[in-house]
Amino acid sequence: QQQVKQSPQSLIVQKGGISIINCAYENTAFDYFPWYQQFPGKGPALLIAIRPDVSEKKEGRFTISFNKSAKQFSLHIMDSQPGDSATYFCAASGTFGYQKVTFGTGTKLQVIP
Amino acid sequence: DVKVTQSSRYLVKRTGEKVFLECVQDMDHENMFWYRQDPGLGLRLIYFSYDVKMKEKGDIPEGYSVSREKKERFSLILESASTNQTSMYLCASSFRGPDYGYTFGSGTRLTVV
Repeated sequence: QQQVKQSPQSLIVQKGGISIINCAYENTAFDYFPWYQQFPGKGPALLIAIRPDVSEKKEGRFTISFNKSAKQFSLHIMDSQPGDSATYFCAASGTFGYQKVTFGTGTKLQVIP
Repeated sequence: DVKVTQSSRYLVKRTGEKVFLECVQDMDHENMFWYRQDPGLGLRLIYFSYDVKMKEKGDIPEGYSVSREKKERFSLILESASTNQTSMYLCASSFRGPDYGYTFGSGTRLTVV
């Protein structure tokens, strides 16, 4: 059972455009939602994260929007740059137990000049 | 620079061999994890450990075992390698607590022939 559904699987965006990746979750016990960025040949790295007590979090060009009632969250990359080309994973975990993270299936983003 | 180090970048093993994948972290993290990454499937949790000598099954533990004799080291063992275990294996670690992200290693690309 896939608990975090991510779309699209791949995305091509022009330089300067907005990249949008969407995720939906099922488990209402999830209350920590990180995004990871993975460059080729590297492991994923934590990019930005949000808790459900806020609807939006912004760090530089990266923004997470969170809709608790719809159980959906999304990553927006403003002014997308070729250096943003990577695979992005959304994820979710609960704050009880051992906080193991469930990942989405990933979105391969290509930003073209 | 804090990091998670995986012992091998690439491995080629024969079907039926016993395979050891080693992971060491230098951040004094309590939690350690093993994931496998396959195209279209994202990151799937194999095993995790929240303390020395402790282990918990993840979502796909069949055919794998783990060992954590020291806090900084977490080993993944393929008891009898099979071709369907050809994959990218990622080790990660984190502090115990709800708001700590994972630090990943660069991965081991295992091919079973």
